[in-house]
Amino acid sequence: GNSVTQMEGPVTLSEEAFLTINCTYTATGYPSLFWYVQYPGEGLQLLLKATKADDKGSNKGFEATYRKETTSFHLEKGSVQVSDSAVYFCALSDRNSGNTPLVFGKGTRLSVIA
Amino acid sequence: KAGVTQTPRYLIKTRGQQVTLSCSPISGHRSVSWYQQTPGQGLQFLFEYFSETQRNKGNFPGRFSGRQFSNSRSEMNVSTLELGDSALYLCASSRLAQAESSYNEQFFGPGTRLTVL
Repeated sequence: GNSVTQMEGPVTLSEEAFLTINCTYTATGYPSLFWYVQYPGEGLQLLLKATKADDKGSNKGFEATYRKETTSFHLEKGSVQVSDSAVYFCALSDRNSGNTPLVFGKGTRLSVIA
Repeated sequence: KAGVTQTPRYLIKTRGQQVTLSCSPISGHRSVSWYQQTPGQGLQFLFEYFSETQRNKGNFPGRFSGRQFSNSRSEMNVSTLELGDSALYLCASSRLAQAESSYNEQFFGPGTRLTVL
């Protein structure tokens, strides 16, 4: 079946540090890939997405590239801010595998300190 | 445009009771999906409703059920509550059903925090 594995947290960084959160996936078809972010006390918000191999999703300084050869979709940001502190979820949607729902990784908590 | 709303935001129940949670999707969205979020299991899919029909169901016992009304509002019900049902329950709405488009964005509500004592 489809699954998403992302690095365990928590991740603690100083402001302006470089961020990488690793995400790898297993899918039987050709999935679309997503990063969602959850700020404290809120629901999930879509951060970025990529729908086919080699696509790069980007938003608010975050980027992730869909790598089919390594089945990865790592999230990166060049310079994090305190306001980026949140839980980040990698997810996939694989319509080609039939009626399967969005599958999430377990989430990575990021804390950015000033 | 108003976002997804969920009521109540917080709920405390005791074992054996039942609970009903409500979700109002974004106007024009016909799909509502429910997820359970716990520290140990992460986000797990419960079910999806589209145009008042259940389109998909996750691997949860029959104590978890749901429905959708003609205005797309959805409710989920959990009967005979157990301690392990304590979780954040999130609903998400989208314009299309999940099976219709793999890049169909889901918009999440803030969740209902259920505590079972």
